[in-house]
Amino acid sequence: EDQVTQSPEALRLQEGESSSLNCSYTVSGLRGLFWYRQDPGKGPEFLFTLYSAGEEKEKERLKATLTKKESFLHITAPKPEDSATYLCAVQAWAGGSYIPTFGRGTSLIVHP
Amino acid sequence: NAGVTQTPKFQVLKTGQSMTLQCAQDMNHNSMYWYRQDPGMGLRLIYYSASEGTTDKGEVPNGYNVSRLNKREFSLRLESAAPSQTSVYFCASSGVGLNQPQHFGDGTRLSIL
Repeated sequence: EDQVTQSPEALRLQEGESSSLNCSYTVSGLRGLFWYRQDPGKGPEFLFTLYSAGEEKEKERLKATLTKKESFLHITAPKPEDSATYLCAVQAWAGGSYIPTFGRGTSLIVHP
Repeated sequence: NAGVTQTPKFQVLKTGQSMTLQCAQDMNHNSMYWYRQDPGMGLRLIYYSASEGTTDKGEVPNGYNVSRLNKREFSLRLESAAPSQTSVYFCASSGVGLNQPQHFGDGTRLSIL
């Protein structure tokens, strides 16, 4: 069974305190890993797609990396506006189409 | 620039009532999805439609039905609502091909008493 595990469940940081979120997965036939940001009362918003081990993507203070078993979302010098829940999803073949499986997310709070 | 639009945004039902959640996308996407999100459980796939005219069950389909009305619209129906179906429901769509991200609506918050 495909599984996606995110850690930690919750993370509190001071503004400027860099850290990393983890997404580990066991999926047969991986065809992409996605990171999303979700603000309270809103739907998830797409951040990055990673496809192959060693790949990296960056956007402002966020950097996503991928290995064969896990992905990291590095947050450099975070600001309070980075507070959100970050979701990881892996896309695998489901016998007819590619279906994403989501992790439970990491809730990030950045204090000023 | 609407993206994915869900209606209604909020709904309260009594046990046993039925209702349909509506979803429409204006991005010409082939694939559409329905998820539920519960505290501590993450996003769980209810049903999906890989293309117009097809629908398939996801992880938690029991108690739900779907209709892919056309390429733009994908509805979710609760025939006889139960308190266990109290949740936030999200609709999403994605384009054709590998590594296409999903675009989500802002959800329907459904309470069943």
